[in-house]
Amino acid sequence: QVQLVESGGGAVQPGRSLKLSCAASGFAFSGFAMHWVRQAPGKGLEWVAAIPYDGSTEHYADSVKGRFAISRDNSKNTLYLQMNSLRVEDTAVYHCARVGPATTMFKFFFDYWGQGTLVTVSS
Amino acid sequence: EIVLTQSPGTLSLSPGERATLSCRASQSVSDSYLAWYQQKPGQAPRLLIYGASSRATGIPDRFSGSGSGTDFTLTISRLEPEDFAVYYCQQYGSSPVTFGGGSKVEIK
Repeated sequence: QVQLVESGGGAVQPGRSLKLSCAASGFAFSGFAMHWVRQAPGKGLEWVAAIPYDGSTEHYADSVKGRFAISRDNSKNTLYLQMNSLRVEDTAVYHCARVGPATTMFKFFFDYWGQGTLVTVSS
Repeated sequence: EIVLTQSPGTLSLSPGERATLSCRASQSVSDSYLAWYQQKPGQAPRLLIYGASSRATGIPDRFSGSGSGTDFTLTISRLEPEDFAVYYCQQYGSSPVTFGGGSKVEIK
């Protein structure tokens, strides 16, 4: 069955960096675009970043553009999110998610999600 | 960007009752590109509905979605104990994709 397992979260000070990983299994990882979506404590969901199946492009929400970088290693079935210049408002659970069928890089929903990893940015 | 407003914020119902959740968009959602997810505490969101009315794989037929334009509805015909959760809508017809704030279905 499809499994997405995030890791790498933790507590960091503002301005510092953190790198998240998402290990995928149970499907042909190299054939799917992948995304990061975050959820601030007690709040709703916010799309963060996307990368196509071959890693050829990257797309970001305005709130993280220039600070975060999404990447993937298809040989390791792993998705990454490098987060730099972290802010207090980046505090959230970060989920990786697989796109659903018949979607594009700009019009997508998610058919599988990981449970997420918590990032806390605080001084 | 399209703002999605979900109502009610909390719905208190008993098992066996019918739940009707609303998702209203600030502008028309093109091609009815609207999805619904269920999330339980500490768990990943689970896809229920996409394209406004298509059930995802393995989703029981007590879950149904309807609507178009700016008004969408998720209906749970008869609540089972495992259906008590938070439900989110998401539009994917316009960039950036956006989510509603969620509706909680709690046991009365």
